[in-house]
Amino acid sequence: QSVLTQPPSASGTPGQRVTISCSGSNSNIGTNYVYWYQQLAGRAPRLLIYRSNQRPSGVPDRFSASTSGTSASLAISGLRSEDETIYYCAAWDDSLSGPVFGGGTKLTVL
Amino acid sequence: QVQLQESGPGLVKTSQTLSLTCSVSGGSISSGAYYWTWIRQPPGKGLEWIAYIYNSGKTYYNPSLKSRLTISLDTSRNQFFLRLSSVTAADTAVYFCARGGCPSTPCTALIDSWGQGTLLTVSS
Repeated sequence: QSVLTQPPSASGTPGQRVTISCSGSNSNIGTNYVYWYQQLAGRAPRLLIYRSNQRPSGVPDRFSASTSGTSASLAISGLRSEDETIYYCAAWDDSLSGPVFGGGTKLTVL
Repeated sequence: QVQLQESGPGLVKTSQTLSLTCSVSGGSISSGAYYWTWIRQPPGKGLEWIAYIYNSGKTYYNPSLKSRLTISLDTSRNQFFLRLSSVTAADTAVYFCARGGCPSTPCTALIDSWGQGTLLTVSS
């Protein structure tokens, strides 16, 4: 069971906006930055969002994120077929003294 | 851009000890504000942090696995290692080595470089 809680699935049609939630606690999301990763099948995760709402170069501005208290969310606007994959949230956990991850959300583009 | 490459046996028998190596290129494992970490992913499941080590040699382990783990590094070879003892089928997973950011205390969950992952299967 993952320390951070994500819905196992999400879906949307091309062009739509979808959000993926991530719930944690005061020892992780409540006090530390949240990171979002995108993982294509058979590949290592790729950094999508850092410091809760910043995009690395090369990540389209269709991807955005926010945090509130002990929860975070990733939003994908203008949904495209290539967005269909799995997304993970992560944060440092002060109690565990290590990074913790959500269980992943599989996004389906209908 | 730093690159990481895992190497391991692929198949290990139940109760044996697993040994994995991560070879780092394009940057020194001794420098920078980073931690060097192992993360695993069981088939069809999510990511789980296992252990990490600073270039000082200080180590941290996931409490759920701590009794079976040893992480170490060899700066002369620019490599770091993982040993997991008494393996069971539950340890079957893709094991990633990676670099995490530690610009201040506490560190961050910013994993900016990943290896491609190596599949470890535990079989009796």
